[in-house]
Amino acid sequence: DGGITQSPKYLFRKEGQNVTLSCEQNLNHDAMYWYRQDPGQGLRLIYYSQIVNDFQKGDIAEGYSVSREKKESFPLTVTSAQKNPTAFYLCASSLDRTAPSLLDTDTQYFGPGTRLTVL
Amino acid sequence: ELKVEQNPLFLSMQEGKNYTIYCNYSTTSDRLYWYRQDPGKSLESLFVLLSNGAVKQEGRLMASLDTKARLSTLHITAAVHDLSATYFCAVVDSNYQLIWGAGTKLIIKP
Repeated sequence: DGGITQSPKYLFRKEGQNVTLSCEQNLNHDAMYWYRQDPGQGLRLIYYSQIVNDFQKGDIAEGYSVSREKKESFPLTVTSAQKNPTAFYLCASSLDRTAPSLLDTDTQYFGPGTRLTVL
Repeated sequence: ELKVEQNPLFLSMQEGKNYTIYCNYSTTSDRLYWYRQDPGKSLESLFVLLSNGAVKQEGRLMASLDTKARLSTLHITAAVHDLSATYFCAVVDSNYQLIWGAGTKLIIKP
């Protein structure tokens, strides 16, 4: 049964703590992404990875870090430097990050999300 | 910088009615996606539109793309309660990044 899993579903963070959100996929996708969603807004890209051992910053990378040691896994760490981390975090993957015209191999598929709350 | 604007942001309608959600974007792109999100849940891919004039249909939903007008529409025919959700469009920019609209929250009343 192929898909993307995220854990935990809910996460509570105290001030000054680092927390790590897990994202695993068994779709054999090369590209993986982390997004942040705030209420009433669209998604904003935090980081993405096109291939193992390589990742790039998105629009709102400050206060976050990632690793991509395995194709299946792309964990996100929310550091204490992220001043307003309360949000819904979504992980996604796609076969490729880019696709030739008229092919949809860049379609992103999403995990169930992690809701992070700062106490 | 590519910007994506959806309207309306909120729509309440009766079952059985037709309506259209609009997605405008500011710079050239020929790849556009529609997703659905139920409250507190993840996003589900609905349609991928990859060329000017593309039209896709699934059940009571039909999406189209006009790249010259930089406009996509999501048309709902004879709405049913199960279609209540938030609908997002997302457009691929020149850096192959998805740029998202703010979403249209659709409530369909019996």
